[in-house]
Amino acid sequence: AQTVTQSQPEMSVQEAETVTLSCTYDTSENNYYLFWYKQPPSRQMILVIRQEAYKQQNATENRFSVNFQKAAKSFSLKISDSQLGDTAMYFCAFMKPDKLIFGTGTRLQVFP
Amino acid sequence: NAGVTQTPKFQVLKTGQSMTLQCAQDMNHNSMYWYRQDPGMGLRLIYYSASEGTTDKGEVPNGYNVSRLNKREFSLRLESAAPSQTSVYFCASSAYRGSGETQYFGPGTRLLVL
Repeated sequence: AQTVTQSQPEMSVQEAETVTLSCTYDTSENNYYLFWYKQPPSRQMILVIRQEAYKQQNATENRFSVNFQKAAKSFSLKISDSQLGDTAMYFCAFMKPDKLIFGTGTRLQVFP
Repeated sequence: NAGVTQTPKFQVLKTGQSMTLQCAQDMNHNSMYWYRQDPGMGLRLIYYSASEGTTDKGEVPNGYNVSRLNKREFSLRLESAAPSQTSVYFCASSAYRGSGETQYFGPGTRLLVL
């Protein structure tokens, strides 16, 4: 069975700094998809970034980028130039073939 | 374009009461999902509907029923609410139920069962 592990329950970062959130997963599959979702205090789940496992290039979306290490089954999220609005829960999720499995989340606090 | 909408936003029930959570999407998506989120856990799939007219069980279906009313709407019903069903419920939709399809989420319904 596929599992997703986020080992950092909470993290904090100062505004304008860079922070990296960790995610590891366990699967025997070769082709799959990985996602990072953001859940601000409003509780709305917002897609941050998406990575296709067959693509070696790491996905980037403005200030958000991933470090995808397929062999290590690692999928970390880097947030550059952190902003107060980045304060939220961040969930890593694995999809194969069509079932979305979530990690337990990392609570990120951005301080001024 | 509202995306995925859910009603109500918050509900309090007594044990044994019934209620229906409503979900609608305006993105012309084929697939819709219901998840629950409990403290310290990620979202877990309750039921899904791959296309209009079909529904299937997810990871935690016990105590729930669903109806795919039409392409836009997917409702979740609790026939006899239990305290263990206290949770935040999310509806989501995707273009189709296929590998890699991004799911878009509604704002959630917070349910408290006393």
